[in-house]
Amino acid sequence: GQQVQQSPTSLVLQEGENAELQCNFSTSLNSMQWFYQRPGGSLISVFYNPSGTKQSGRLTSTTVIKERRSSLHISSSQITDSGTYLCAMADSGYNKLTFGKGTVLLVSP
Amino acid sequence: GPKVLQIPSHQIIDMGQMVTLNCDPVSNHLYFYWYKQILGQQMEFLVNFYNGKVMEKSKLFKDQFSVERPDGSYFTLKIQPTALEDSAVYFCASSLSGTNTEVFFGKGTRLTVV
Repeated sequence: GQQVQQSPTSLVLQEGENAELQCNFSTSLNSMQWFYQRPGGSLISVFYNPSGTKQSGRLTSTTVIKERRSSLHISSSQITDSGTYLCAMADSGYNKLTFGKGTVLLVSP
Repeated sequence: GPKVLQIPSHQIIDMGQMVTLNCDPVSNHLYFYWYKQILGQQMEFLVNFYNGKVMEKSKLFKDQFSVERPDGSYFTLKIQPTALEDSAVYFCASSLSGTNTEVFFGKGTRLTVV
């Protein structure tokens, strides 16, 4: 089955530094999303980005279909950015998303 | 943005009892999903549902699990009987179409089986 590899597993930054999170897929994709999961567990959609580049505030996502990868760039990180970032993809069939194991981000003062 | 509501946020139940998790999907969405996340582990697909039918299910979707959406009301996940290994956070999700579209997730129901 399809696999989703996220890197790094964890990342520690000082406030104001930038972060680059990567997601690699083992199969071609027709849908992918980035999520932020709070320490309490709730899931927040960050980007739906099956191809190309999208930006929202300090967050930018770039998906390159041919290379089967997507990245999430966080600029000028803030303490409130701390949490787990998950990527997920669907290759076929009814939006059955396969999730990565996540990148745990800790932003310290 | 569109919201998927899950009720309750937490539930504790005795092993062997039945539990029903409720989900209020985005109002015009047609496809519905359940995902399971054991504490500290990966989010995993359980089942998807369209037009009154299960379209796909994973190996995690045991015989004790069932889903339905009677008369366009709540989309439910029923577990009967529950087992200790069913303890997890269950996320409901919905989407407008079945492919190439954003999937919207609820905040999850934390189920603890004791």
